[in-house]
Order: sequence, then structure tokens, then C-alpha cells
Amino acid sequence: GAGVSQSPSNKVTEKGKDVELRCDPISGHTALYWYRQRLGQGLEFLIYFQGNSAPDKSGLPSDRFSAERTGESVSTLTIQRTQQEDSAVYLCASSWGRGGHNTGELFFGEGSRLTVL
Amino acid sequence: SQQGEEDPQALSIQEGENATMNCSYKTSINNLQWYRQNSGRGLVHLILIRSNEREKHSGRLRVTLDTSKKSSSLLITASRAADTASYFCATSHSGGSNYKLTFGKGTLLTVNP
Repeated sequence: GAGVSQSPSNKVTEKGKDVELRCDPISGHTALYWYRQRLGQGLEFLIYFQGNSAPDKSGLPSDRFSAERTGESVSTLTIQRTQQEDSAVYLCASSWGRGGHNTGELFFGEGSRLTVL
Repeated sequence: SQQGEEDPQALSIQEGENATMNCSYKTSINNLQWYRQNSGRGLVHLILIRSNEREKHSGRLRVTLDTSKKSSSLLITASRAADTASYFCATSHSGGSNYKLTFGKGTLLTVNP
């Protein structure tokens, strides 16, 4: 597609349920990032994928959070046993990664707004 | 902890005026980027300035970088109501994980028509 696509755009869930958020990066982008944005705040880094290298998971806040990416395609962010403090907008971004096209710019999706009741 | 800190947190101006936002950071960087976020939307890249550059222009945007003071400023000239948005600086650290962008909390700019 033309841009980074995220789904669902909005998700309301009950505390304790699991949720899956999906990100479709721009075709050809080898790097993919997940960020979390709480209301009125900046972006917190969660996880980074670069090609087939081991992901940098250093930003994941707890073991309830996990993410997968197959090759250089779609990624899913899974939050297990959701808590109210998980309520936030989850933003996905992609970039050219380590390739020669890389300008350092990240291309963001519109985000998935998660509300945990 | 946040690497970049923007100030002011909020700025309200009249259309046609200039808007200046500042960003300070703590450790050495490879580059600094500015992004814009309209309410409820994703972030859009505006401009990137490398650590060996001091000033950069793009249309009505002017970015400066002072590595000795670990600060940057974003100037929007002749502002328009459509410039109303949150503006974030993001830094890429020297060495190690230089792909990881660290974002500040942003400046909310309101341009009144």
C-alpha cells in the first residue's frame, strides 16, 4: 500500500482480555517500529525489527507484551491480560532501515487506539 | 527517560505570526528530527538535521542545532491555521542503537485565524 496501515483503528476491551494489533509497513521497508503514546505524552519506544535480525525488545514494558514480524512484512503486537494502564495509542512506523535509501525518516501509521475498561 | 524535551508545552499565536519551538536533549546525537502530529493522527516527518549541521530550511520551516548547548529550535514562519498540531523532536543517539528514535513530549501549537 501507499503508507503504513494499522488495524484496528480503535479497540475497546475489558481488563484481563488479550488484544492483537496489526501493522502493515510500506513495501520495501526493512525496519519496523512500535511505539506507545499515552494521552498528551510523547512516544515510548517498544520494539524494533530490522530484516531478519533479532528484534530489539528493550522497550517492552512487561512480559505481557510481545511482537512478531515475519520477514519484512506484517507485524503484530500482542498484549496479554490487558490492564487499564495499557490504554494508549499504539503507533507503528517503518523505514528503509540499513539500506542505501535510508534517510533516517520514519513513516508512521495512524495508530491503534486501545481502551481497557 | 525522555531524551528530548520540548518547550513550551503549548503555544498559541495568530495567523501570520512566527512560531518558535525548542528542544533540549541530554546525550550526544547522530541526528535530530522534527515531526508533526495532527490530533488523532500519526506523526509526519518534517525535517532532519545531522549533528554536523547548524541550520536547515524547508519551505516555511527553519531548524537550528547547537550541539554545544544540546538544543534545537524549529521556526515556522508566516503561520497558518492549518499549522495547528503537536510538534515533536526526536533524537538518534551516537553509538549503539542509533536507529532508535527517542521522542519528547511535544509542543502543542494553536494558530488562531
